Amino acid sequence: EPEVTQTPSHQVTQMGQEVILRCVPISNHLYFYWYRQILGQKVEFLVSFYNNEISEKSEIFDDQFSVERPDGSNFTLKIRSTKLEDSAMYFCASSVLSSYNEQFFGPGTRLTVL
Amino acid sequence: LAKTTQPISMDSYEGQEVNITCSHNNIATNDYITWYQQFPSQGPRFIIQGYKTKVTNEVASLFIPADRKSSTLSLPRVSLSDTAVYYCLVGDEVSGGYQKVTFGTGTKLQVIP
Repeated sequence: EPEVTQTPSHQVTQMGQEVILRCVPISNHLYFYWYRQILGQKVEFLVSFYNNEISEKSEIFDDQFSVERPDGSNFTLKIRSTKLEDSAMYFCASSVLSSYNEQFFGPGTRLTVL
Repeated sequence: LAKTTQPISMDSYEGQEVNITCSHNNIATNDYITWYQQFPSQGPRFIIQGYKTKVTNEVASLFIPADRKSSTLSLPRVSLSDTAVYYCLVGDEVSGGYQKVTFGTGTKLQVIP
């Protein structure tokens, strides 16, 4: 069964450093998403991406964040200058159709900012 | 987006049927109702989606009354492996685009042996 994959599974970084989280969505899916989940809290939407551009983004997704689909298979989330409060689990998801179609989530990347 | 309200937590014994109700009083005409399941340290997993009446798949049933202001996820004969957080989402596709997906706080189901 096809699945969304994410790398790395765990990333530790120093405050102020840039990190890139990588995702490979399911191959025939057209919509891509990033979510984050701070430990013990709810899943929070960050951004959705379709046709090589951002479709929707939340208030969390400020200028420190960017997304890219560099090569037709990978989908990346970049955090330019990490803060302590960026420590969370980051989930990538994809769907065939738009956001209220079934979304398939990856296993997540745990980001720890020291 | 219609706001959803669910119980924060529920306990159930193994083998019992569990019903989790979600309230969405402000649901719009085009809104669908979707439920996801999340195990600790994993991403959410789609369970079921419906618009009205009853939907059933191999995992669960979803009951939606005529006024659509609430919905009930029914899990038949739960096992320990059903211990998870269950999220109810409401929303629709907007012409020319779509809404961001909003997860509420969910219902933490604990299945007891």
